[in-house]
Amino acid sequence: DAGVTQSPTHLIKTRGQHVTLRCSPISGHKSVSWYQQVLGQGPQFIFQYYEKEERGRGNFPDRFSARQFPNYSSELNVNALLLGDSALYLCASSAGTEQETQYFGPGTRLLVL
Amino acid sequence: AQSVTQLGSHVSVSEGALVLLRCNYSSSVPPYLFWYVQYPNQGLQLLLKYTSAATLVKGINGFEAEFKKSETSFHLTKPSAHMSDAAEYFCAVSGNGRGANSKLTFGKGITLSVRP
Repeated sequence: DAGVTQSPTHLIKTRGQHVTLRCSPISGHKSVSWYQQVLGQGPQFIFQYYEKEERGRGNFPDRFSARQFPNYSSELNVNALLLGDSALYLCASSAGTEQETQYFGPGTRLLVL
Repeated sequence: AQSVTQLGSHVSVSEGALVLLRCNYSSSVPPYLFWYVQYPNQGLQLLLKYTSAATLVKGINGFEAEFKKSETSFHLTKPSAHMSDAAEYFCAVSGNGRGANSKLTFGKGITLSVRP
């Protein structure tokens, strides 16, 4: 079975631009979460979606937004990029039930110049 | 609110030696606890998890962790280190339900080096 997939793997943008990151969950999983991992730090929670609805939001500015599609894939959008947005963006999928385990994709590495 | 403290940023052991990576947590609800491993330029791989069943949890690659409520700890151990264990290790905590209660809060991570 395929795991969580993310695209693109790497991305270079300049300040002020917009970026869209994509994630496909494990087959049968209905929940997708997004995390930001800055170099040298642990991942920080950005969003969680379940059945196309937002379940949780971390402490990130409104420049960050996300959505989940009927096939449970998800997009993370970041507007007006700042240098500090440079990070590894991780997507995790889970079944959406209690005691759930989140399974992570390989991430998208974003560099903002 | 939940938080995780991983003491020290780097641990170095000799091949064959005991591995001990420390994790302390804070949680206002009974926690679920996780250890993830991250190899260079890769995502996170689940090593093991505690979800209120047995307090001693066995994971993949010979790792195990013990939940100690009185000490609010969930330390990761492996009896004999292997060169392939060199990686970044993250401890994480979540609440015990769905939705926002299931988000993971990570520690800063510990880099494990294994000397030949």
